[in-house]
Amino acid sequence: QKEVEQNSGPLSVPEGAIASLNCTYSDRGSQSFFWYRQYSGKSPELIMSIYSNGDKEDGRFTAQLNKASQYVSLLIRDSQPSDSATYLCAVNEGGGAQKLVFGQGTRLTINP
Amino acid sequence: DAGVTQSPTHLIKTRGQQVTLRCSPISGHKSVSWYQQVLGQGPQFIFQYYEKEERGRGNFPDRFSARQFPNYSSELNVNALLLGDSALYLCASSLFGGEGGELFFGEGSRLTVL
Repeated sequence: QKEVEQNSGPLSVPEGAIASLNCTYSDRGSQSFFWYRQYSGKSPELIMSIYSNGDKEDGRFTAQLNKASQYVSLLIRDSQPSDSATYLCAVNEGGGAQKLVFGQGTRLTINP
Repeated sequence: DAGVTQSPTHLIKTRGQQVTLRCSPISGHKSVSWYQQVLGQGPQFIFQYYEKEERGRGNFPDRFSARQFPNYSSELNVNALLLGDSALYLCASSLFGGEGGELFFGEGSRLTVL
């Protein structure tokens, strides 16, 4: 069973600080990685996708991938109260299908 | 542009009944996937369809079935409902059916089984 692990939190960060979310995965052959944000009672919303080792930046968000260590991280700069949500890490299991394996999510709270 | 649309948004069924959930993908997207999300957990993969053919199936019993229509919309059917089937059922669409495709989720259908 391929696994994706996240710290369930809650992670509490003051407004304006950097929030750091981490994820590890078990399948060394995985090639596609995604971060989703999910507000309470809503569906997951895609924030970032990353496929190559290194950093990928989009606005206040930076995704980092290290395939050798099998971890993916998401940094949120200048955190805002509206960033308070559960962040889901997802890894494509591969095998030709679009089969995402999700972690259980990290609940992030930004304190004003 | 309209996103992924799902119906119904909420429904209540009793054990043993059957349910059909519907999904319309983003215009131009040919791949539809279904996920089940139980409260407090991440979504779990149920099915993927691409160009009307099943591309992948998750670890769910045969009570779960799905299909994709020529217009790329999709239905998920669950027979002989159990209490444990209570969950948020999410449909996601993707432009391409391959492994690297980005999935965009609809608002989900929240199923309660009594």
